[in-house]
Amino acid sequence: AIQLTQSPSSLSASVGDRVTITCRANQGISSALAWYQQKPGKTPKLLIYDASSLESGVPSRFSGSGSGTDFTLTISSLQPEDFATYYCQQFNSYPLTFGPGTKVDIK
Amino acid sequence: EVQLLESGGGLVQPGGSLRVSCAASGFTFTSYAMTWVRQAPGKGLDWVSALSGSGDNTYYADSVEGRFTISRDNSKNTLYLQMNSLRAEDTAVYYCARARKNPSGWYRINDYWGQGTLVTVSS
Repeated sequence: AIQLTQSPSSLSASVGDRVTITCRANQGISSALAWYQQKPGKTPKLLIYDASSLESGVPSRFSGSGSGTDFTLTISSLQPEDFATYYCQQFNSYPLTFGPGTKVDIK
Repeated sequence: EVQLLESGGGLVQPGGSLRVSCAASGFTFTSYAMTWVRQAPGKGLDWVSALSGSGDNTYYADSVEGRFTISRDNSKNTLYLQMNSLRAEDTAVYYCARARKNPSGWYRINDYWGQGTLVTVSS
């Protein structure tokens, strides 16, 4: 199975900060990567698919980039509602896998 | 409105069996693959299994292969996960999620998720 790592595992940031989260695959997955946001007690929410395509209804401050093995999720100006855990997921090949998550909390 | 409603969770002893269900509404069920994802208490997301819209193609995580069976009843718009030989490490909230198609034609984008059902494996 393809393994994903995320860095950092957690970060503290302030409202208005630019935040970047990295996801790395242990083998090439083309652009078959999605990003999800999960708030405590809530279900995951799709943010980005195909590495850089913004899901409908997701604010434009979220963006994704990368291909092959290295990917990033960027929040251009962190808002109070963005404090959550973010997961990457590869869908290049089965079994699909998630990264371990990055928790973004308030500094 | 797309809705996914899981049910069937509960407490089961190690080695036991349980079947969880996911009732879907608000979309053409047969046009989408479906997925199960679980989350152990305080842990991250863990992909479990997926099933094509027709039900012909099934996929499993290595950790559940041979123990879990995914299926669907398209006449009832319902997805199932039959879990056998349960272990303590299977304790988790089990989410069903719809898998839509991306531009490459892969039904692997989980765009809608249910609220989950808790499965606890303990003696």
